[in-house]
Amino acid sequence: DGGITQSPKYLFRKEGQNVTLSCEQNLNHDAMYWYRQDPGQGLRLIYYSQIVNDFQKGDIAEGYSVSREKKESFPLTVTSAQKNPTAFYLCASSIDQGTSGPHNEQFFGPGTRLTVL
Amino acid sequence: QKEVEQDPGPLSVPEGAIVSLNCTYSNSAFQYFMWYRQYSRKGPELLMYTYSSGNKEDGRFTAQVDKSSKYISLFIRDSQPSDSATYLCAMVEGGSEKLVFGKGTKLTVNP
Repeated sequence: DGGITQSPKYLFRKEGQNVTLSCEQNLNHDAMYWYRQDPGQGLRLIYYSQIVNDFQKGDIAEGYSVSREKKESFPLTVTSAQKNPTAFYLCASSIDQGTSGPHNEQFFGPGTRLTVL
Repeated sequence: QKEVEQDPGPLSVPEGAIVSLNCTYSNSAFQYFMWYRQYSRKGPELLMYTYSSGNKEDGRFTAQVDKSSKYISLFIRDSQPSDSATYLCAMVEGGSEKLVFGKGTKLTVNP
């Protein structure tokens, strides 16, 4: 089955700790994304990557870091610099948008719920 | 003014009702418009995708775009309890990777 997996489903972090959220896709998609969802806030883009070894900041990148060493993997690290990290984190992927043509559908993973204790 | 405005609800309707969900936007560069459905504690799934003004129908669902008014709608006919979810509108400029989402409207369809 093709799809996007995220792990863990639930994650608890103590203040001052860094944690890494996993995102893996076997859809052979070029582009991958990380979003944060807070109650009443909708989805906000943290980072995105269009190709291996390259990524760009989204709207709320402060306190987060990513890497894209493999096409199928795009892990997100929530650092201690992120002051309010408790949220639902969603990973998505799509065929590379390119610079023209119709927008390509983003497929979402099941999410990771991070709670800071 | 936020780029995309969506009434968060919650919206509660009886089974069989027609549901109307709406979003307004301010960025005239948005070219592609989507509706995602998100069940509780799950990732969103694409429900409808349109790129021109007018209506697009898929079964019980109709997406409507009015670019002149910067207004999009999703209509659900003969609503079912299984339609109970949060509905998120999203839109994007042509050639961009960055979706802009509304806050989502939580819908409950009561049997």
